[in-house]
Amino acid sequence: GAVVSQHPSWVICKSGTSVKIECRSLDFQATTMFWYRQFPKQSLMLMATSNEGSKATYEQGVEKDKFLINHASLTLSTLTVTSAHPEDSSFYICSARDIADSYNEQFFGPGTRLTVL
Amino acid sequence: KQEVTQIPAALSVPEGENLVLNCSFTDSAIYNLQWFRQDPGKGLTSLLLIQSSQREQTSGRLNASLDKSSGRSTLYIAASQPGDSATYLCAVLNAGGTSYGKLTFGQGTILTVHP
Repeated sequence: GAVVSQHPSWVICKSGTSVKIECRSLDFQATTMFWYRQFPKQSLMLMATSNEGSKATYEQGVEKDKFLINHASLTLSTLTVTSAHPEDSSFYICSARDIADSYNEQFFGPGTRLTVL
Repeated sequence: KQEVTQIPAALSVPEGENLVLNCSFTDSAIYNLQWFRQDPGKGLTSLLLIQSSQREQTSGRLNASLDKSSGRSTLYIAASQPGDSATYLCAVLNAGGTSYGKLTFGQGTILTVHP
């Protein structure tokens, strides 16, 4: 149980295009999902908290107009990188919190490797 | 602001050794502490989760301890194997401050177990 999937697992795009990444909780419902990015040889940095049915909360320094987050259902959150540039190339990982889990554990997806040419 | 530090940054050991990875955090207001494993280019695999009221958790050859008052946790790996080679990340779920409800990660320990 507690499986989180991400799609795509990797994507290459041209500079200036937009890319959408999906995060799904496969066997549980998640009112809250989190988006992280990880640069090579660095740890995970939280970008934003995605709340079902409401606006996402962004961490300081993260541009909300560039990283659009939509959490339209209890099992799906999407991250759209708009007008992507090479500096947006990174590993994006999502996590989800089971609404029925009292331990506050976050379950992580396998990540999406974004390369912007 | 919560800060999580992991020592050492890298560790190389021969197969069969027992080893200890260290994690420290500055704010003891946490719900839990979690240890993860990350293989190159992959996502996170949760290894152990210790609630703030607990002192330790065990899973197979892994044992994690938590001393919340001193802001420390250790991950003990017994009889290490080459397959244990990976980056090990420690993260705390914050129970207060500006990071309430969010995970703060350490920088990780890169473990290499050579045959």
